[in-house]
Amino acid sequence: EAQVTQNPRYLITVTGKKLTVTCSQNMNHEYMSWYRQDPGLGLRQIYYSMNVEVTDKGDVPEGYKVSRKEKRNFPLILESPSPNQTSLYFCASAGYFNAEAFFGQGTRLTVV
Amino acid sequence: GDSVTQMEGPVTLSEEAFLTINCTYTATGYPSLFWYVQYPGEGLQLLLKATKADDKGSNKGFEATYRKETTSFHLEKGSVQVSDSAVYFCALRGGTQGGSEKLVFGKGTKLTVNP
Repeated sequence: EAQVTQNPRYLITVTGKKLTVTCSQNMNHEYMSWYRQDPGLGLRQIYYSMNVEVTDKGDVPEGYKVSRKEKRNFPLILESPSPNQTSLYFCASAGYFNAEAFFGQGTRLTVV
Repeated sequence: GDSVTQMEGPVTLSEEAFLTINCTYTATGYPSLFWYVQYPGEGLQLLLKATKADDKGSNKGFEATYRKETTSFHLEKGSVQVSDSAVYFCALRGGTQGGSEKLVFGKGTKLTVNP
């Protein structure tokens, strides 16, 4: 089954404790992206990747890192989380040029 | 750069009412256009898409037509149900000359359908 898998689904952590949210897709897609969703602000793109070792900043990259060492994986790293990063995070992947994107189920992160 | 503007919600309708959610876009080139739906507590899923001008995407009673002359992709449904309550996102991809693959979303419109 074609899918994008994010882990964990829920995470509560403390300020400053490094964390990684994993994202994996099984569709051999070139494009992958991370979004955060906050009430009243819609979806905001954090980082995206056009292919292995190619990443670029989205609209709200501050406080986040990503890597794309393998085509299937695109982890989101918060080196020193802060409470303003409390949000619902989605990973997405897409294939050729203008095809549709597939989304993971989301990760609800709370930073206290 | 490319952008998508959709009507702000929330939108509240009674069951069997007609639905329109407006979406307009700014892009050079020939983007594909999408509507995604997010049901409560879930991720986004593709509702319908159109890849070229005058194409009509349709699914689950929803329709949207790719209008290049008005740069629009309005979502419509003739008779909404309570189960259609969700957040709807308009999006485009492949719009910039030279073939950007970046996916661009509107801010989303929350629809509530009452019995």
